[in-house]
Amino acid sequence: QKEVEQDPGPLSVPEGAIVSLNCTYSNSAFQYFMWYRQYSRKGPELLMYTYSSGNKEDGRFTAQVDKSSKYISLFIRDSQPSDSATYLCAMGTNFGNEKLTFGTGTRLTIIP
Amino acid sequence: GAVVSQHPSWVICKSGTSVKIECRSLDFQATTMFWYRQFPKQSLMLMATSNEGSKATYEQGVEKDKFLINHASLTLSTLTVTSAHPEDSSFYICSAAPREQYFGPGTRLTVT
Repeated sequence: QKEVEQDPGPLSVPEGAIVSLNCTYSNSAFQYFMWYRQYSRKGPELLMYTYSSGNKEDGRFTAQVDKSSKYISLFIRDSQPSDSATYLCAMGTNFGNEKLTFGTGTRLTIIP
Repeated sequence: GAVVSQHPSWVICKSGTSVKIECRSLDFQATTMFWYRQFPKQSLMLMATSNEGSKATYEQGVEKDKFLINHASLTLSTLTVTSAHPEDSSFYICSAAPREQYFGPGTRLTVT
């Protein structure tokens, strides 16, 4: 079993829809959780990060962490064609100089 | 967010030659940087952790003599692919963490 599981998709939704992206994990030591967006042939871009359980909102994006279920989510409201990308979840036990464990990424396409 | 740059963005070299890729943190100091490799439509694969002033820590299965890493200063790490072969063709990405990890734009290496 992988430490982090993420549905690779592809996921296609119409423009304006709410998108839900999810990851599950097995290591209870993970304390901080990140979502990255990666466009084709580009480096990943940090979208959101959260520490421990709870919700965090930034514009159209909401990150949720449920440590009791070992489950994290990223919601995208009012999805736009420019949101079409691969979304990677990542997690670690400490901030800073420690390697992250990544999901495989979910390929998302927003259909105009 | 913090800015990480990479140079070059794209390089083509002949089999048997060596290629150096630079990773710089532009607006923060990074005692640790990370080097990843990514194949098309796959997730990130951590190659090594680069530590300023000391030897890099390589992941299992990564040839340290082939992928030389030098962390010369708090803002610069280099990855040298020695005696490159076509199977080394890939997308190489670095990251650095003032706290949360930020990625560079990536370097596409093509070995002919």
